[in-house]
Amino acid sequence: AQSVTQLDSHVSVSEGTPVLLRCNYSSSYSPSLFWYVQHPNKGLQLLLKYTSAATLVKGINGFEAEFKKSETSFHLTKPSAHMSDAAEYFCVVSRIRDDKIIFGKGTRLHILP
Amino acid sequence: NAGVTQTPKFQVLKTGQSMTLQCAQDMNHEYMSWYRQDPGMGLRLIHYSVGAGITDQGEVPNGYNVSRSTTEDFPLRLLSAAPSQTSVYFCASIPRSNTGELFFGEGSRLTVL
Repeated sequence: AQSVTQLDSHVSVSEGTPVLLRCNYSSSYSPSLFWYVQHPNKGLQLLLKYTSAATLVKGINGFEAEFKKSETSFHLTKPSAHMSDAAEYFCVVSRIRDDKIIFGKGTRLHILP
Repeated sequence: NAGVTQTPKFQVLKTGQSMTLQCAQDMNHEYMSWYRQDPGMGLRLIHYSVGAGITDQGEVPNGYNVSRSTTEDFPLRLLSAAPSQTSVYFCASIPRSNTGELFFGEGSRLTVL
C-alpha cells in the first residue's frame, strides 16, 4: 500500500531564512514523487518531480528536494525564503501501474517579514 | 492550448438541487480525475477515468456521478446536493506519457446551503 505523510501542517520562517518542508512516504514499489504548490484561491502547480533519475531534484522558484530511499523521505528545501513563497505545499506519491496517486494533507508555509 | 478548464468557478446550491461541474482538457490526456479539497484534509479523489468509456471510483465517490464519453470531457454530477458537499473541486489530467504529473484546473468553489 502507498501512503504519504507531511510531518508539519504549518511552518513559519522569516524572509531570507531557509525553508524545510518534510515528507515521508511508504510504497511497495519504486514510486514517483512530486511536490505541488497552491497559492491562495488558485489551482495546484507542479514544483518538482522525482521519477527514478537523479535523487536531487531541482524545481521552479529555487526549490529542490532530495529522494532518500533509506529514509523514505522526499523533503522540500529552499535556501532563502521569499514573501511570495507563502502558500500551501502538497507532497504526492504516484504509482502508475495501477493509477494510484496519493496526496499528503498539505503544509501551509508562512513567511514572516 | 487552454490546458484544463473547469466551469463554473463559483456555484451556490440549495440542499437537494442537482448540478454538473464541467471539466475539459485540450491536451489529449488519457487520464482525468476529480478531487475535492477541504481544510486540513488535503485533496481526496472522487472519481477518475483512464480513457473514454472507462470510469472508476476514488476515495470519496458517494453522491457523485461521472461519465467519459470523449477524451476531452469529464463532467462531475451532483445528484442531490448536501451541505457536506460544500468544497472546492479540482479536475486534473495526466498525459499519455504517464509520468504521474497532474495538470490541474483552477478549481470550482461549491457552496450548498
